[in-house]
Amino acid sequence: NAGVMQNPRHLVRRRGQEARLRCSPMKGHSHVYWYRQLPEEGLKFMVYLQKENIIDESGMPKERFSAEFPKEGPSILRIQQVVRGDSAAYFCASSLRRYSDYGYTFGSGTRLTVV
Amino acid sequence: AQSVTQLDSQVPVFEEAPVELRCNYSSSVSVYLFWYVQYPNQGLQLLLKYLSGSTLVESINGFEAEFNKSQTSFHLRKPSVHISDTAEYFCAVSDGGSNYKLTFGKGTLLTVNP
Repeated sequence: NAGVMQNPRHLVRRRGQEARLRCSPMKGHSHVYWYRQLPEEGLKFMVYLQKENIIDESGMPKERFSAEFPKEGPSILRIQQVVRGDSAAYFCASSLRRYSDYGYTFGSGTRLTVV
Repeated sequence: AQSVTQLDSQVPVFEEAPVELRCNYSSSVSVYLFWYVQYPNQGLQLLLKYLSGSTLVESINGFEAEFNKSQTSFHLRKPSVHISDTAEYFCAVSDGGSNYKLTFGKGTLLTVNP
């Protein structure tokens, strides 16, 4: 019973390139959440998706960032034209239900380094 | 808006000593409270949670936390720590039952020394 799978674990991109981060939720989970952890900071909510729908993207930067969760396949967080300030750990979580009372299952994260 | 304050960024202790990691929150509504643990280069694992009922909650590995509504606190304690407890601990809060967003504190790095 695999947990939340994220890949790649580490990603290095040059400024201006695109970064694609993938997240496969736990089996049976249809709710996916992306969080970002900047150095010396706690995790910050970015976006909440259900299959084929973005429910809440209030934490996403207005430009360059997008997320999707297609009917088939993993959820993708896409960062276009990366800048040094995008360097962070990006965590994906999934849940069976919408609400947080069960506590989410987090993946091991993707550590993005922009050089 | 909710916020979470973890008062100590680092807590070094010796093995078998007791430890308390402090967490205070602010919220205008009833909340759910969580402690997550992050081992080096790993994701976050749920340690324990308070939803309702008994204000004292326990984890399977000896940690406990007490919800104190009047002091808006949810401090994490363990009477005797092990080397393997070395990790970063995050306190988090969400609106009770009506919200999916977790608001995290900045974390406390617990280092257990021999």
